[in-house]
Amino acid sequence: AQSVTQLGSHVSVSEGALVLLRCNYSSSVPPYLFWYVQYPNQGLQLLLKYTSAATLVKGINGFEAEFKKSETSFHLTKPSAHMSDAAEYFCAVSDPGFQKLVFGTGTRLLVSP
Amino acid sequence: NAGVTQTPKFQVLKTGQSMTLQCAQDMNHNSMYWYRQDPGMGLRLIYYSASEGTTDKGEVPNGYNVSRLNKREFSLRLESAAPSQTSVYFCASSEGGTGREKLFFGSGTQLSVL
Repeated sequence: AQSVTQLGSHVSVSEGALVLLRCNYSSSVPPYLFWYVQYPNQGLQLLLKYTSAATLVKGINGFEAEFKKSETSFHLTKPSAHMSDAAEYFCAVSDPGFQKLVFGTGTRLLVSP
Repeated sequence: NAGVTQTPKFQVLKTGQSMTLQCAQDMNHNSMYWYRQDPGMGLRLIYYSASEGTTDKGEVPNGYNVSRLNKREFSLRLESAAPSQTSVYFCASSEGGTGREKLFFGSGTQLSVL
């Protein structure tokens, strides 16, 4: 069965600092991988997805993630954090064939001035 | 451009009461989903509907029932609410079929069971 592990329930950075949110996956087949963001009192929105094309995936709001098969990882990065990036971020995995996502437990990003 | 609409946004129930959460999408999507979100546990799939006329259990289906009323609407029913069902519930939809599509989420229903 597929699963994802997000290391760190909370990550704190200063405005302008590098953002790194970690995600490791487990899947018996080449997976599809996603990052979603949830702003306070809202539903989730797609940031980016990996579907076996380029291993470096660029998303919205300056975020990107790199698929590393050897490390079974799909970490999310952004070179310079903005205050508006404060939110909860979820990594998710699905098997090719049907869109039944399995979500990680989430990482709350805190950005300080 | 409404997307996925959930009602109600907030609800308080007493143990044993029943209620139905409503969800509608206007994107002509084939697949619809119900998730619950609990602190430290992420989102867990309750039920899903791959296409109109079909429903299947997800990870945590106990205590819930669903109805795919038509292509647009997918409701979630709690027959006898329990405090363990206190959660935030999200409905989502996708075009469906290949595993690579984006999920579109509603804004959620915050449910408290006393």
